[in-house]
Amino acid sequence: DGGITQSPKYLFRKEGQNVTLSCEQNLNHDAMYWYRQDPGQGLRLIYYSQIVNDFQKGDIAEGYSVSREKKESFPLTVTSAQKNPTAFYLCASSIQNRRNQPQHFGDGTRLSIL
Amino acid sequence: KNQVEQSPQSLIILEGKNCTLQCNYTVSPFSNLRWYKQDTGRGPVSLTIMTFSENTKSNGRYTATLDADTKQSSLHITASQLSDSASYICVVSVPLNFGNEKLTFGTGTRLTIIP
Repeated sequence: DGGITQSPKYLFRKEGQNVTLSCEQNLNHDAMYWYRQDPGQGLRLIYYSQIVNDFQKGDIAEGYSVSREKKESFPLTVTSAQKNPTAFYLCASSIQNRRNQPQHFGDGTRLSIL
Repeated sequence: KNQVEQSPQSLIILEGKNCTLQCNYTVSPFSNLRWYKQDTGRGPVSLTIMTFSENTKSNGRYTATLDADTKQSSLHITASQLSDSASYICVVSVPLNFGNEKLTFGTGTRLTIIP
């Protein structure tokens, strides 16, 4: 079955530590996205990538970094500069350059602070 | 102020009953409107996508309507089942260059179905 796999499902970060969230897709989609979901708020875009080796900042990129070395993979690093990292992180992918197409989501990683 | 407002915030109904969720938006320009279902602890799953020229779209027991003039949409669930318990998120898309689009998400309506 094609889909998006996020790992780990739960992650804990210590003070001053960087952590990396994994996102892998086998849908052959060019575009991939990272969102953050907080209680009582809509999903907010952190970073997105339209093609390998290229990515753009979203609305809340500060304290985060990404890479896109392979079409299938779009890992997100939450750096120590992100002062409020506790949230539910969702990765998504879609067909590139095509409006009115759904974004397919993974099942998320819940990040908490120790 | 959120550009996509959903109501009610939460709703509890008996199994087998119908319900309607509302979405008002101020996002402009408009490319399409989407409804997603999100089970607790899972990622959202697409239910419908409607462009400005579509008034209604169905997916099984889910029927979405769109009034682009008043910038309102609704999601109607018929003969609810326990598995319908989830958050339902309204998403409005703004067109960008090169065929891309930016999504603005509502905060969702939390629906609980009780036996």
